[in-house]
Amino acid sequence: GAGVSQSPSNKVTEKGKDVELRCDPISGHTALYWYRQSLGQGLEFLIYFQGNSAPDKSGLPSDRFSAERTGGSVSTLTIQRTQQEDSAVYLCASSSEGGLGNTQYFGPGTRLTVL
Amino acid sequence: AQKVTQAQTEISVVEKEDVTLDCVYETRDTTYYLFWYKQPPSGELVFLIRRNSFDEQNEISGRYSWNFQKSTSSFNFTITASQVVDSAVYFCALSDHTGGFKTIFGAGTRLFVKA
Repeated sequence: GAGVSQSPSNKVTEKGKDVELRCDPISGHTALYWYRQSLGQGLEFLIYFQGNSAPDKSGLPSDRFSAERTGGSVSTLTIQRTQQEDSAVYLCASSSEGGLGNTQYFGPGTRLTVL
Repeated sequence: AQKVTQAQTEISVVEKEDVTLDCVYETRDTTYYLFWYKQPPSGELVFLIRRNSFDEQNEISGRYSWNFQKSTSSFNFTITASQVVDSAVYFCALSDHTGGFKTIFGAGTRLFVKA
């Protein structure tokens, strides 16, 4: 597609439920990134994919968070047993290549609210 | 340590005023990249500029200009003759070898431009 797309745009869930957030990067982009932005805060790095592999998972806050990428394209971020502190906007970005200095292009985000 | 500091949390100006957003970074690497992104109320981050550490030339793009000073580790962003549509949160970011594949974002500066 023309830009990075994310779905759903909004997700409201109950505490303890699992959620899946989807990211569709710019066509041909090999690198994909997930960030979390809490209300009024900056961006917190979660995970980076180069192709289908994730060389850097250091930002995942707990083992309730996982992500996968298949076919070098679409990525899914899964949060299990959601907690209220997981409420945030989850942003996905892609770049043509991974590594130093590549410009990341962001999607519109998924706003997650955990009740 | 890899760090980006945007000391100004919020700035409020009246339309047509010039405004400068400060960004100070820390890195031990000699090769690194700096970025500015704009996040309007709609939420989607928009890429504005990328600058590598070997290019200290200042850049101008319309009403936007950037002042890169390695001596003070700063990469400041100036908007000339501000407009209401410039109201947004602006993020400065750093990519270096120390950070691996991450891009580290500052906390952001929220700019309000009043008519």
